[in-house]
Amino acid sequence: EVQLVESGGDLVQPGRSLRLSCAASGFTFDDYAMHWVRQRPGKGLEWVSGISWNSGSTVYADSVKGRFTISRDNAENSLYLQMNSPRPEDTALYYCVKDTKSIVPKQWLGHFDYWGQGTLVTVSS
Amino acid sequence: DIQMTQSPSSLSASVGDRVTITCRASQRISNYLNWYQHKPGKAPKVLIHTASSLQSGVPSRFSGSGSGTDFTLTISSLQPEDFATYYCQQAYTTPLTFGGGTNVEIK
Repeated sequence: EVQLVESGGDLVQPGRSLRLSCAASGFTFDDYAMHWVRQRPGKGLEWVSGISWNSGSTVYADSVKGRFTISRDNAENSLYLQMNSPRPEDTALYYCVKDTKSIVPKQWLGHFDYWGQGTLVTVSS
Repeated sequence: DIQMTQSPSSLSASVGDRVTITCRASQRISNYLNWYQHKPGKAPKVLIHTASSLQSGVPSRFSGSGSGTDFTLTISSLQPEDFATYYCQQAYTTPLTFGGGTNVEIK
């Protein structure tokens, strides 16, 4: 059974840093690209970032580019999101998501087949 | 970026009703369109990928159609467990973008 378990969500002050983690199991982690998707309070789903199977390519939404960094450790079956200089508008439930493909090219043509339950990040002073 | 517009943003329906949700892309995306179901407190779930391919394990009352810029998700006979929010997502190019969601409520 595929499981994606996020952790690390917390209350953080604007400008500080936070690192989210996702522990994956039930599939061959290093065969697939992975993503982070968030949902702000009362809003819809927003894709944040994606990373290829071997960390060879990473992509970001414009709203987080230059502030957030996605990474993965295939030996540990783990995905990470380093959130630097978070802003109040980054307050959201962050989901770890499995891709059906191994890479995230410009022309993606994939879909998300498994999602975690999410970890809540609140950015506030 | 490709903008995805869903309509309606919410609807009320009864068990057994046929429900149709539409999604329009701001540019042509061929058939690279996915549909997800999201219930409060649960992980989102893929229903349809590539516009009309039913994800394994999803009931056949769900169907998708469309190509180019206009797409439709249809629930042929609404069941109690189908009350949720539905999102379309374009899979054509990064940045990946979702529609604003359609909340399906009990009438």
